[in-house]
Amino acid sequence: ETGVTQTPRHLVMGMTNKKSLKCEQHLGHNAMYWYKQSAKKPLELMFVYNFKEQTENNSVPSRFSPECPNSSHLFLHLHTLQPEDSALYLCASSQGGGRFTEQFFGPGTRLTVL
Amino acid sequence: AQTVTQSQPEMSVQEAETVTLSCTYDTSESNYYLFWYKQPPSRQMILVIRQEAYKQQNATENRFSVNFQKAAKSFSLKISDSQLGDTAMYFCAFMMYSGGGADGLTFGKGTHLIIQP
Repeated sequence: ETGVTQTPRHLVMGMTNKKSLKCEQHLGHNAMYWYKQSAKKPLELMFVYNFKEQTENNSVPSRFSPECPNSSHLFLHLHTLQPEDSALYLCASSQGGGRFTEQFFGPGTRLTVL
Repeated sequence: AQTVTQSQPEMSVQEAETVTLSCTYDTSESNYYLFWYKQPPSRQMILVIRQEAYKQQNATENRFSVNFQKAAKSFSLKISDSQLGDTAMYFCAFMMYSGGGADGLTFGKGTHLIIQP
């Protein structure tokens, strides 16, 4: 695997389900990000992790819970979501640690909440 | 807070033509980066070009170039000799550089560019 991978690519869940999105980067980066891309709004930053520490939470509802066990993996745990949470969830990574690099994006997980 | 505005929801040009996508932004920061990302249908977001705010020279990458007007807070993308593979959503993005190396991007709504054969 190369670059940034995300699983699953598609997910359909009910409002009472609990599911998790997974992101893995194979670039040796230290910073990871979650973004939400919905049909009618610009891409929105959700969370930022730098060296496994959360450095930004962009006022995201608590039904979204991120987890970063190491610099290569990032999860987004989902529970009691609403239909308006249906969107494409994109993960990205960058060098972090005070060194600038561009953000590299994964292919995204298309989430549908019924 | 920063905002990024792309005023052209969709543009269509003929293959081989030159096209310019517009982007304006608003910030009170002095140290930042600007980007253009491309998102082809059902494919990953990829970086097209980036500009450091402290550099006066406009960035170029092969057929892609920018016109960065810092005082006007304008950052347009010019695509020369457009190709069918350039068909995609194009997003303008802003990043404030805090020095920590992990700053989120603020995106515009995007411009859907269609290259006609």
